[in-house]
Amino acid sequence: GENVEQHPSTLSVQEGDSAVIKCTYSDSASNYFPWYKQELGKRPQLIIDIRSNVGEKKDQRIAVTLNKTAKHFSLHITETQPEDSAVYFCAASYSRSGNQFYFGTGTSLTVIP
Amino acid sequence: SQTIHQWPATLVQPVGSPLSLECTVEGTSNPNLYWYRQAAGRGLQLLFYSVGIGQISSEVPQNLSASRPQDRQFILSSKKLLLSDSGFYLCAWRVPVWAGAGEQYFGPGTRLTVT
Repeated sequence: GENVEQHPSTLSVQEGDSAVIKCTYSDSASNYFPWYKQELGKRPQLIIDIRSNVGEKKDQRIAVTLNKTAKHFSLHITETQPEDSAVYFCAASYSRSGNQFYFGTGTSLTVIP
Repeated sequence: SQTIHQWPATLVQPVGSPLSLECTVEGTSNPNLYWYRQAAGRGLQLLFYSVGIGQISSEVPQNLSASRPQDRQFILSSKKLLLSDSGFYLCAWRVPVWAGAGEQYFGPGTRLTVT
């Protein structure tokens, strides 16, 4: 099956700086790559996603890049704010049979005011 | 609009007791359904997924089972709970691939503590 690795596991940045989280995947058939934000005790919520036919997608301060050849994708958060502090999960999904969804192990982001 | 419900919200059960967690989705048909477990401070572990009534795929061998008796109902069960079953259980749904699958939508979760 698919194997998604995520780095770093923890990340601290000063408010206003940028944060980058990276994920790699193993199955070249994966074609959908979402990023979720999970605040303490709450459910994960989608913040941005990208499909395999696109190399980059941006939504205000958040962007995701995808390199299909290298099988890695990254989340970029610019001008970080304290409310960006949370755990971020990447995921990879493919439709070969059953629509499995595989998550990375998460990155705990702390934005220091 | 679509909504997803899970209950109970919290549960404390002794080791060896049975378990039944329920998840229902409203406002959509033929969803793909998923059960995840999240141990404290850890990632999301996919336990089961289902693409239709009675169709269950297991990702991790364990003492848990899942059933889908109706299109929008997904149940997670255990006959005898272990201490290691403690965690935050999340149900999720997704539009099938043939309908343009995208993100997964998560339920509010059930926090299970096995004592």
